[in-house]
Amino acid sequence: SQQGEEDPQALSIQEGENATMNCSYKTSINNLQWYRQNSGRGLVHLILIRSNEREKHSGRLRVTLDTSKKSSSLLITASRAADTASYFCATDAGGGSEKLVFGKGTKLTVNP
Amino acid sequence: NAGVTQTPKFQVLKTGQSMTLQCAQDMNHNSMYWYRQDPGMGLRLIYYSASEGTTDKGEVPNGYNVSRLNKREFSLRLESAAPSQTSVYFCASSKRRGAQAGELFFGEGSRLTVL
Repeated sequence: SQQGEEDPQALSIQEGENATMNCSYKTSINNLQWYRQNSGRGLVHLILIRSNEREKHSGRLRVTLDTSKKSSSLLITASRAADTASYFCATDAGGGSEKLVFGKGTKLTVNP
Repeated sequence: NAGVTQTPKFQVLKTGQSMTLQCAQDMNHNSMYWYRQDPGMGLRLIYYSASEGTTDKGEVPNGYNVSRLNKREFSLRLESAAPSQTSVYFCASSKRRGAQAGELFFGEGSRLTVL
């Protein structure tokens, strides 16, 4: 079964607004990663947060991790039409596993 | 620098036919992965390889075989294709971060239809 589960499944916002996506997972992890997928393309890595980190930033992206709640959030600030894509969280199974398991994704639409 | 290259990009098969999806990476990565992506299901791991000569099953390995003959290449074989294997297949590679999964680099996908 899939480890991560994103919420919401779909999100539609206006350009300039912030977009928040959430990810919940089931078992202990070493790290959690967020990926982006444009329609018809492969996935692109956005950010990795380790289990001992609580927050990480990269440009307009902010990721938080709460291991006690087994959840993470991805915030995209000042969204642009070009941010329209599907966003996935991926987790390992902890304990030295390199297998990355993906959630079903959040489809973000940013309207100009 | 090509990154991860998958071939073919598109393929149509009849039920029962066999085929091999090829994947090659030029980043000197140790780990390679095969995923399938279906509408509403996200990505599901089929097989994984930590290094040349080693492979491990993922979430949905039934109906597939893999081969990691060298560090660069990781192939996925469908011995007897079924309509349920209609999907988009992604190959990925990563540089190991100690014993943890690192950042994955994905190919552009191979779109397979089984009639």
